[in-house]
Amino acid sequence: GAVVSQHPSWVICKSGTSVKIECRSLDFQATTMFWYRQFPKQSLMLMATSNEGSKATYEQGVEKDKFLINHASLTLSTLTVTSAHPEDSSFYICSAILQGAYQPQHFGDGTRLSIL
Amino acid sequence: GEDVEQSLFLSVREGDSSVINCTYTDSSSTYLYWYKQEPGAGLQLLTYIFSNMDMKQDQRLTVLLNKKDKHLSLRIADTQTGDSAIYFCAETSDRGSTLGRLYFGRGTQLTVWP
Repeated sequence: GAVVSQHPSWVICKSGTSVKIECRSLDFQATTMFWYRQFPKQSLMLMATSNEGSKATYEQGVEKDKFLINHASLTLSTLTVTSAHPEDSSFYICSAILQGAYQPQHFGDGTRLSIL
Repeated sequence: GEDVEQSLFLSVREGDSSVINCTYTDSSSTYLYWYKQEPGAGLQLLTYIFSNMDMKQDQRLTVLLNKKDKHLSLRIADTQTGDSAIYFCAETSDRGSTLGRLYFGRGTQLTVWP
């Protein structure tokens, strides 16, 4: 149980393109989803927290107009990287938690984004 | 703060036990987690322990928690080459406004030699 699906797994696109990444909880309802960015050989950096039906909460230094997050349902959150540039190339990972306090986060398999 | 520290590398021989250590600073930590990340993949939840527990065992995995010293360890018995991965220690607490937010260590790269 507690499967999180992330799509696409790999994207290569030209500079200036907007890219949408989907994160779905397949067998549970996720009141909260998290979006992370991971640089090579480093830990996960939390970008934003996404709650169903409300605006996402962004971490300090993360541009909300650059990284648009929508959490329209209890099973789907999307991250759109707008007008992507090479410096946005990274590994993006989402996670979701079941409703209720202190439930563990379950992670998707990540999206490798490469901007040319 | 919410600092979580781990050693960066560990090498063991196949069949031996591996012990990955983690220290944290948040005295209000409630749950502590171990995640495994294989190359190019997301994080897989291995196990977690509530802060009022001292030990949790799940098949080959044993988690020990010393709350006084804020020290967490993960022992993998009979380590296999398939256990080679990065292992992240993480903690959460009831501090702050984001319920369920995790604070991660930098990860320990475990290499298992045949």
